[in-house]
Amino acid sequence: EAGVTQSPTHLIKTRGQQATLRCSPISGHTSVYWYQQALGLGLQFLLWYDEGEERNRGNFPPRFSGRQFPNYSSELNVNALELEDSALYLCASSFGVVAGELFFGEGSRLTVL
Amino acid sequence: AQTVTQSQPEMSVQEAETVTLSCTYDTSESNYYLFWYKQPPSRQMILVIRQEAYKQQNATENRFSVNFQKAAKSFSLKISDSQLGDTAMYFCAFISGNTPLVFGKGTRLSVIA
Repeated sequence: EAGVTQSPTHLIKTRGQQATLRCSPISGHTSVYWYQQALGLGLQFLLWYDEGEERNRGNFPPRFSGRQFPNYSSELNVNALELEDSALYLCASSFGVVAGELFFGEGSRLTVL
Repeated sequence: AQTVTQSQPEMSVQEAETVTLSCTYDTSESNYYLFWYKQPPSRQMILVIRQEAYKQQNATENRFSVNFQKAAKSFSLKISDSQLGDTAMYFCAFISGNTPLVFGKGTRLSVIA
């Protein structure tokens, strides 16, 4: 069974540009979560989608946005990139809105120059 | 808001020895779940162990066990017979109700041969 897959693995952008990151959850999982892992800051919650709806949003500016498609895959968009957006972006999935295990992808490393 | 604190940014242990990683959390909820996740170097995050708050018995998974002290809001991870493959970042995490998983900042564990 395929795990959570993320693309691209690495992405290099310059300040002011836009970045789009993609995530495919494990088959059958309806919830997708996005986390930002910046050096020394641990994992910061960004967004949570379930059944196509945004369930919760972390303390990030509106230039961080996303959506979930009918097949439960998701994309994260970051507009007007800033240097401090450089981080590893992790996607995770779970089966529904339950307090269970999250399954993580390997992440997309975004570098903003 | 729930918070998770890991007070040990880095730790090291000799191979075959035992090490304990600390975690404290803050919540007003009575029903919640606690997790330890492991992130090996350049590899994806995986679940190590999970504890339901309503269970008094401490969870155990092979060489990994927890010491869950609900009144003290403490959730430490003990790794017995440490192996080189245990070298990783370890994150303590908390979830309650309809909120996303909240992570601590992590502890970098190095197992030394």
